[in-house]
Amino acid sequence: AQKVTQAQTEISVVEKEDVTLDCVYETRDTTYYLFWYKQPPSGELVFLIRRNSFDEQNEISGRYSWNFQKSTSSFNFTITASQVVDSAVYFCALRISGNQFYFGTGTSLTVIP
Amino acid sequence: DAEITQSPRHKITETGRQVTLACHQTWNHNNMFWYRQDLGHGLRLIHYSYGVQDTNKGEVSDGYSVSRSNTEDLPLTLESAASSQTSVYFCASGDPYEQYFGPGTRLTVT
Repeated sequence: AQKVTQAQTEISVVEKEDVTLDCVYETRDTTYYLFWYKQPPSGELVFLIRRNSFDEQNEISGRYSWNFQKSTSSFNFTITASQVVDSAVYFCALRISGNQFYFGTGTSLTVIP
Repeated sequence: DAEITQSPRHKITETGRQVTLACHQTWNHNNMFWYRQDLGHGLRLIHYSYGVQDTNKGEVSDGYSVSRSNTEDLPLTLESAASSQTSVYFCASGDPYEQYFGPGTRLTVT
């Protein structure tokens, strides 16, 4: 069975602090994709990143970085120098064969000015 | 630009009524999905379709149905609305590498 766990329900940080959002996944498939989505207060779901199971390179995009470790089945997301605009709910998701997505329960991030 | 739209954006209905939520995409994707979002549960898959005339049940399909008569549309029907179906509903379409989400429909069943 597939499962995505985001153990952190809510996180609050002060602006300019770094914050890491954890994501742990379970699957027996050897080919899969991992995703992060952002849901700002306006409610839409915004795609942030996709990573396939054969690519364990970490990725950095501006203040965002992602650490994919197959050995621990984790795909963690770090925001450096957080800003108020980063306040949102962040979802980690897993896609296996068949195009079905499995979402975690989300982490609500509040950045305090 | 290609897009995915949902209507209505907000709906209030009474228990027992039939409700249909519309989803329309212009991405020309074969794959379409319906999710519901509830606090503490994230997004849960209701139904999905891999093409015209194809429909499949997801994790929380009881009380819901879909039909796919063309590539662009996947309407979601609540046969007899229940208070437990008060939620935010997201439609998505996708290729093998990504899902594109609609803006969501907030449904309240009173």
